Amino acid sequence: AQSVTQLGSHVSVSEGALVLLRCNYSSSVPPYLFWYVQYPNQGLQLLLKYTSAATLVKGINGFEAEFKKSETSFHLTKPSAHMSDAAEYFCAVSGSEGRRALTFGSGTRLQVQP
Amino acid sequence: NAGVMQNPRHLVRRRGQEARLRCSPMKGHSHVYWYRQLPEEGLKFMVYLQKENIIDESGMPKERFSAEFPKEGPSILRIQQVVRGDSAAYFCASSVGQGSGNTIYFGEGSWLTVV
Repeated sequence: AQSVTQLGSHVSVSEGALVLLRCNYSSSVPPYLFWYVQYPNQGLQLLLKYTSAATLVKGINGFEAEFKKSETSFHLTKPSAHMSDAAEYFCAVSGSEGRRALTFGSGTRLQVQP
Repeated sequence: NAGVMQNPRHLVRRRGQEARLRCSPMKGHSHVYWYRQLPEEGLKFMVYLQKENIIDESGMPKERFSAEFPKEGPSILRIQQVVRGDSAAYFCASSVGQGSGNTIYFGEGSWLTVV
């Protein structure tokens, strides 16, 4: 079965510091991978997605993620954190075993300290 | 996520009542997904529907929960005889096609509180 593991339920960084949110996936076939962001009491907004076109994927708000098949990872990074980046981030996978629906990780809450 | 419309945004029900959550997908989208998010948890898949068809309901509780997506009108997630454990945020999402790489767009969610 397809699954996603997000290491670290809470990550705290200083404003201007590097953001690194970890995601490892399990899939029986080459997966489609997604990162979503959720602000308090709101829905999910797509940050970026990997669909095998390129291993380094650039998204909105300065975020990017690199697909590493050998490590089964799809970590999310941003060179310099901004206060407005504070939110919950979800990694998701689809495509394995014919599953079109997304399977989400448990989420990582990012705090940005001034 | 603009375009996927959910209502009501907030719903309060007493134990034993019925809750109906509605979702209008983005224009041109014929695939709808429902997810549930319990407090402090991630999103759990419930059901995937196309017009007039349930494609995957592997995440739906066996009792009290049902979903439909009629030929005309919004998708409806129905919870009968609600219990306190049903209190959660319910998110609807839609996509244009059935390919796994298609982007799935989410609505703002419906927050159900059972008192």
